[in-house]
Amino acid sequence: KAGVTQTPRYLIKTRGQQVTLSCSPISGHRSVSWYQQTPGQGLQFLFEYFSETQRNKGNFPGRFSGRQFSNSRSEMNVSTLELGDSALYLCASSSPQETQYFGPGTRLLVL
Amino acid sequence: GEDVEQSLFLSVREGDSSVINCTYTDSSSTYLYWYKQEPGAGLQLLTYIFSNMDMKQDQRLTVLLNKKDKHLSLRIADTQTGDSAIYFCAESPSGGGADGLTFGKGTHLIIQP
Repeated sequence: KAGVTQTPRYLIKTRGQQVTLSCSPISGHRSVSWYQQTPGQGLQFLFEYFSETQRNKGNFPGRFSGRQFSNSRSEMNVSTLELGDSALYLCASSSPQETQYFGPGTRLLVL
Repeated sequence: GEDVEQSLFLSVREGDSSVINCTYTDSSSTYLYWYKQEPGAGLQLLTYIFSNMDMKQDQRLTVLLNKKDKHLSLRIADTQTGDSAIYFCAESPSGGGADGLTFGKGTHLIIQP
């Protein structure tokens, strides 16, 4: 079974731009979660989607948004990028009551 | 809010056992996890334990849970150079993704030859 895939793996943007990251979950998994990893703040929960609905959201500004499609693939969007948004963005998928499996991440650099 | 604490670094000799410790504050933590992250990679699930268990063993890995003290540990027997990585402790009130995982800052495991 293929693991969680994320595209692109690396991205460079400038301040003020927006970015869209994509995540394809493990086949059969309907829950997709997003996390931000930075050296200063560590791993922080962004939001989680299940069956195209956002069920939970972390403490991030409204510039961070996401969505999930009917095939469980998910995208997250960050608008009006700031230097502090430079991070590794990790996606994880799971079945109900099961453990989360993570993808390799998208490394975003904002200049 | 919930908090998960870990030591930042642990240095051990190759062949010795490594013990990585973690404390958490959320009493509703039901699921407790250990993830491994190698340089430039995502998170690899190593093992997990439910709060109604005291111990779980999986090959070289042993997880011990002291629910009263909210203390979790991961023991890696016969530590090898390939075990060099950052180890994250995480907790969640429920399995799956619904509640999000709360992570510690990670413990860098350094292996001395």
